[in-house]
Amino acid sequence: EAGVTQSPTHLIKTRGQQATLRCSPISGHTSVYWYQQALGLGLQFLLWYDEGEERNRGNFPPRFSGRQFPNYSSELNVNALELEDSALYLCASSDDRDRGVSNQPQHFGDGTRLSIL
Amino acid sequence: GEDVEQSLFLSVREGDSSVINCTYTDSSSTYLYWYKQEPGAGLQLLTYIFSNMDMKQDQRLTVLLNKKDKHLSLRIADTQTGDSAIYFCAELEGSQGNLIFGKGTKLSVKP
Repeated sequence: EAGVTQSPTHLIKTRGQQATLRCSPISGHTSVYWYQQALGLGLQFLLWYDEGEERNRGNFPPRFSGRQFPNYSSELNVNALELEDSALYLCASSDDRDRGVSNQPQHFGDGTRLSIL
Repeated sequence: GEDVEQSLFLSVREGDSSVINCTYTDSSSTYLYWYKQEPGAGLQLLTYIFSNMDMKQDQRLTVLLNKKDKHLSLRIADTQTGDSAIYFCAELEGSQGNLIFGKGTKLSVKP
């Protein structure tokens, strides 16, 4: 079974530009989560998408946005990039079709390392 | 708000047991997780425990949960050099869906 795949592996941008990061969940998983792992700040929750809808959002400004497609893959968009956006962005997926009945843990991809120059 | 605390470093000798500790604050947490991160990689799910359990064993891994003290531990038996990594404790934030992570414990295994 293929795991969560993210692309690109690395992305280099300059301040003010826009970045698009992509994630394909494990086959059959309906939920996608985005986390930021910045040096010194640890892992912070960004966004949760389930069945194409944004279900929850972390404490990040609106220039962080995303969407989930009908095939459950997802994009994270970061506009007006700032130096402090440099981080590893991790995507996770889970099978939430039985949410409330049983827990399905989140499985992570290897991340996209975004560097802002 | 909710918070998860871990010690930052642990050093053990190959063959010894490693015990990584974690405390959390959200008493409504239903599931608690341990993830492993190797250099340059994402997070690998190691194991998880439901909040109504005290212990879960999975091969070399033993998870102990003290819900009264909100304390979680991960014991790795017969630690190997390949176990060297950063280990993250995480709690599921109720119905919000997201995980709240500790800052990670860097485990170093000396031969």
